[in-house]
Amino acid sequence: SQQGEEDPQALSIQEGENATMNCSYKTSINNLQWYRQNSGRGLVHLILIRSNEREKHSGRLRVTLDTSKKSSSLLITASRAADTASYFCATDPTGTASKLTFGTGTRLQVTL
Amino acid sequence: DTEVTQTPKHLVMGMTNKKSLKCEQHMGHRAMYWYKQKAKKPPELMFVYSYEKLSINESVPSRFSPECPNSSLLNLHLHALQPEDSALYLCASSQAGLAATGELFFGEGSRLTVL
Repeated sequence: SQQGEEDPQALSIQEGENATMNCSYKTSINNLQWYRQNSGRGLVHLILIRSNEREKHSGRLRVTLDTSKKSSSLLITASRAADTASYFCATDPTGTASKLTFGTGTRLQVTL
Repeated sequence: DTEVTQTPKHLVMGMTNKKSLKCEQHMGHRAMYWYKQKAKKPPELMFVYSYEKLSINESVPSRFSPECPNSSLLNLHLHALQPEDSALYLCASSQAGLAATGELFFGEGSRLTVL
């Protein structure tokens, strides 16, 4: 079963606006990763945040991690139409190497 | 070279056919993965190979048979599949980690239709 639950399931915004997606998970983790998937394509890694980190930035992406609440958020600033995709969080549970498990995903639509 | 290459991109097979999906990477990664993804769902882990040995099998039916001939190649042999097995099959690779999983590099997937 999925480790992470994401909300919202779908998000529609206009270009230039910020998009925030949330991920909640259930067990202890080594790290949490975010991936992007264009329709019917492979997944692309965006960012990895370790369990001892609270915030990480990469370009227009900002990820936070709250291990006490078992939650993470992905913020995309100044969104572009090209950001339209599905976004998945993925958790690497402690005690089980290589068992990266994906959340339910958020479908982001950015309109002009 | 930071690519994971999957072939074929599309496959249509009958329930009595035997076919194989192939995956290749040349990044020196020693962990390779098969994920299954149904439409509008997240990828679900099927198998993990670490240093060419099967390390994780997520209770996948025996009609799916993985094989890792060498450190660059990963196959998924398919036999007697059911229509509900129709899905996008994704291969991925990563640096092998004993304690934690790093970034996964995904191929574009093989879209399988079982008639």
